[in-house]
Amino acid sequence: QKEVEQDPGPLSVPEGAIVSLNCTYSNSAFQYFMWYRQYSRKGPELLMYTYSSGNKEDGRFTAQVDKSSKYISLFIRDSQPSDSATYLCATDAGGTSYGKLTFGQGTILTVHP
Amino acid sequence: AAGVIQSPRHLIKEKRETATLKCYPIPRHDTVYWYQQGPGQDPQFLISFYEKMQSDKGSIPDRFSAQQFSDYHSELNMSSLELGDSALYFCASGSGGVEQYFGPGTRLTVT
Repeated sequence: QKEVEQDPGPLSVPEGAIVSLNCTYSNSAFQYFMWYRQYSRKGPELLMYTYSSGNKEDGRFTAQVDKSSKYISLFIRDSQPSDSATYLCATDAGGTSYGKLTFGQGTILTVHP
Repeated sequence: AAGVIQSPRHLIKEKRETATLKCYPIPRHDTVYWYQQGPGQDPQFLISFYEKMQSDKGSIPDRFSAQQFSDYHSELNMSSLELGDSALYFCASGSGGVEQYFGPGTRLTVT
């Protein structure tokens, strides 16, 4: 079983919809939680990260972490066709494993006009 | 803004050959990470370097080796290539924080 599980989708939504992307993880040592966006044939691009539990908002994007249930979410408001990409959650245990990211499988998102 | 540079972008090798992938981190970044992403898979951590010293190691085969040089660029050397080594290889760089900035990747095809 993978340490980070993510529904691969694909997810298709109309422009303007609210998108919810989710991951679960099993290792309670994970301290940092990231969301990356990856366009086809490109490298992952860091969207945002949070430390421990809580919410973080950046423009149309909101990341949530619930460490008690080991659940990670990314919400995209007013989704745009340019948001169409693969979204990867990732975790980092910190400490001696700082920087060793563990990724979910990625969710393929399509926002159609 | 300057980004991570990887070369070559595409590489085709035959089985049992050797490949060298290069990574040039963002200026003033002292940490380099290497990931392997198979078709339809998530990136898998291979190895990382901080200030030219190996800092962590993941699921990197013994046939692979890597180093970081005095100018902070890094090279991933892959020998005795196998068909299963065909993948996208990403390099990411950072400066001590959580953020990792990924390069465009090198697509390695082993035939």
